[in-house]
Amino acid sequence: QKEVEQNSGPLSVPEGAIASLNCTYSDRGSQSFFWYRQYSGKSPELIMFIYSNGDKEDGRFTAQLNKASQYVSLLIRDSQPSDSATYLCAVSGAGSYQLTFGKGTKLSVIP
Amino acid sequence: ETGVTQTPRHLVMGMTNKKSLKCEQHLGHNAMYWYKQSAKKPLELMFVYNFKEQTENNSVPSRFSPECPNSSHLFLHLHTLQPEDSALYLCASSQDRGNTGELFFGEGSRLTVL
Repeated sequence: QKEVEQNSGPLSVPEGAIASLNCTYSDRGSQSFFWYRQYSGKSPELIMFIYSNGDKEDGRFTAQLNKASQYVSLLIRDSQPSDSATYLCAVSGAGSYQLTFGKGTKLSVIP
Repeated sequence: ETGVTQTPRHLVMGMTNKKSLKCEQHLGHNAMYWYKQSAKKPLELMFVYNFKEQTENNSVPSRFSPECPNSSHLFLHLHTLQPEDSALYLCASSQDRGNTGELFFGEGSRLTVL
């Protein structure tokens, strides 16, 4: 059974701080890694994806992947109240339609 | 028209009812999905269709019956549901079978089974 683990939170950070969201996965054959953001009462939307070990930056967001440790993280710099949402980590294997999602981490950015 | 639209947004049904959820995507994608989202549980993939052909069925009970008449429309037919089936049902679409992982979700249909 493929599993994706996330701390459910809530994770509270002050405005302007760095929010660090973590995810581990069980399937060593996983190849693609994604972060989705879901606002309360809304549907998930993709914000980052990463395929290779290392860091990938996009604006205030940085995704980090360590396949040896089976660990992926999302850093949000200069956190804003509008970043308050649940962040879902998702993982897929090679050539697969199937994304395995974690339960999500609820982030609250305090003004 | 917005990308992926789902109707109805809210549905209350008894265990003996038959109802259907509808999804339509206006993005020109060729893959469509049904996901179930329950409180304190991860998103669960139920069904995948690629070019109208079902490619995944993740051991979903037969009281859920999908239908994909074309690449733009997806239905989920519901009958004799149980209270534990109450959840948010999300439809999604994607461009191709590649590993981009970019799913475009609809706003969901909130189902309550009494």
